[in-house]
Amino acid sequence: NAGVTQTPKFQVLKTGQSMTLQCAQDMNHEYMSWYRQDPGMGLRLIHYSVGAGITDQGEVPNGYNVSRSTTEDFPLRLLSAAPSQTSVYFCASSSWAGPKKLFFGSGTQLSVL
Amino acid sequence: AQRVTQPEKLLSVFKGAPVELKCNYSYSGSPELFWYVQYSRQRLQLLLRHISRESIKGFTADLNKGETSFHLKKPFAQEEDSAMYYCALKRPGNTGKLIFGQGTTLQVKP
Repeated sequence: NAGVTQTPKFQVLKTGQSMTLQCAQDMNHEYMSWYRQDPGMGLRLIHYSVGAGITDQGEVPNGYNVSRSTTEDFPLRLLSAAPSQTSVYFCASSSWAGPKKLFFGSGTQLSVL
Repeated sequence: AQRVTQPEKLLSVFKGAPVELKCNYSYSGSPELFWYVQYSRQRLQLLLRHISRESIKGFTADLNKGETSFHLKKPFAQEEDSAMYYCALKRPGNTGKLIFGQGTTLQVKP
């Protein structure tokens, strides 16, 4: 039972580079979301999706894009990385109705130089 | 706007002492509240939710609407309780946002 799988685990980018953080879940969950974790700031919601083809913004969406073409996958794209995006990123999923019991991935540690 | 505040970054207690992790929220309606926990080298996971009124690993939390609080309590702390704890809030119904607080690190000393 894989649950929520995030790749890569670690990534170093240069300012201005683009990349995609991958997230996949095998629990047939409708709800998926991305959070970033920063010291003193806790977990902040970036984007979320309540089903294939439906996405919405969270608390800190600027600089990030998402799409949801399948139930299983919810990639997070950084179009032009900035040092302020250095963080640990978590993907989480939940069966619908509503994000109550979230299942989290193991996280991606991203550094932008 | 909904907001969750955990005023303590770090709470350090001795084994066997009572523990109270504070959580205050800002929301005008009747929210759903949760506690999540992240143990060292483990994934973030749900600890308990107010709607279930359950006790998990000896922890309980009561929703106090008058004080807009949802503090997490345990009468006797154990070393294995050392972890990062997050309080989270969701509006009632099928809404898509679960908002977390800043987190409190609980350190239980032997």
